[in-house]
Parts: sequence; C-alpha cells; structure tokens
Amino acid sequence: DTEVTQTPKHLVMGMTNKKSLKCEQHMGHRAMYWYKQKAKKPPELMFVYSYEKLSINESVPSRFSPECPNSSLLNLHLHALQPEDSALYLCASSQDGTNTDTQYFGPGTRLTVL
Amino acid sequence: GESVGLHLPTLSVQEGDNSIINCAYSNSASDYFIWYKQESGKGPQFIIDIRSNMDKRQGQRVTVLLNKTVKHLSLQIAATQPGDSAVYFCAENISGAGGFKTIFGAGTRLFVKA
Repeated sequence: DTEVTQTPKHLVMGMTNKKSLKCEQHMGHRAMYWYKQKAKKPPELMFVYSYEKLSINESVPSRFSPECPNSSLLNLHLHALQPEDSALYLCASSQDGTNTDTQYFGPGTRLTVL
Repeated sequence: GESVGLHLPTLSVQEGDNSIINCAYSNSASDYFIWYKQESGKGPQFIIDIRSNMDKRQGQRVTVLLNKTVKHLSLQIAATQPGDSAVYFCAENISGAGGFKTIFGAGTRLFVKA
C-alpha cells in the first residue's frame, strides 16, 4: 500500500467553526507533513512530524493545531479560521524524515472558509 | 521558470516531442533536489530526484540535470505524451534546526498537444 489518504475531500466552514482534517498512511513511514497550497501556487510547508514528535513548525498561526496520535495518523485541527485560509491542504509521508526521503502526497482536502 | 503574479509559466509541446522544464533554486546549501508532477485534483507525485554530488540522473523517459554553479535544475521528458500534461514543480530540501524542510519552486504548466 503506497497510498496516503485524506479526509474529507472537501470542507466548507464558517469562521467560528471547529473542524479537523485527517491523514492516514500504512506504509510504515515515520515522518508526516502538512502543506498548504493556494491556487496556482506551489505547496508551502506548515508542519513536520518525525517519530510522532513535532520537529518543524513554519511559524503557522495557532488557529492551525497539528496532532500526531500515532505513526499512521496525522490530524490538523482548525479553529477560528479566516477566509484567506481557504486552500488545498496536503498531507505527505516519508520513510524516516531524512532529507533524501521521498515524500508521498495525499490528494488533499480543499478547504473553503466563509 | 518563475511565476509572475497569478499565472503559471506554461510550456506547450507537440505529442512525441521532447520537453525541457527549467527551475532556478535559491539556496546554495541545498543538497537534495526533487521534481514533482501535479495533475488537476491530485497531490504532487514524485518523478525523479538528484543529490548535489551529481549533475545528471536518468529515469524512465525523464532526465534531471543539475548545475550548481548557476543554481539551475532542469527536467527533460522524452517523447512527451498527453498523460504528461500537468504542473511540474522542482523542490529543494534545506537542512536546518529540527531537521529539513522542502521548498517548492513556482511551477510550470506543461500542455501536450495531440
């Protein structure tokens, strides 16, 4: 199984809502990533988890809260988002987080904040 | 190429021709480079990678060239097919505190004419 799955595929939320994005992989990978991608732009790294510990936070606002319950799962909790947070949120995983790992991406969750 | 404003650079090629997509990277300390392909509605897909101690690497129908002197990366696709139509991103892995992070280039849209 070389697939990274993400749910939901689409999400529409209001600025006062709390929602969560979920990511799952069963490749035995120990590093997982969240990226944000705006239309016609490249993906931008948000968070990196390595062996279930947060190793990189790219100065992301606290209204985005990542969580890695175990090595197969990665969540992104959303609260009090702004319309400018609307984007495609991509999850990726890699073997062990070394800089020559291949990252495998999921299809993304398309988020719209009203 | 680099994006300007909201428009991705576009490369249009005839089916069967060779394609060359160029990328300029920013950090001379980067030691690992990757090309990704992103089709509409999907996450980025790994195509080929190259380490900084190499200047050329070949895969199936694809070749990556690295010129560290001018910080330039290129992706060559032989006998381009309609299925190659997508946005192509170069990416560099930059080591830092906490691990490494992946920085994507602006992207180039490849359009293959049948």
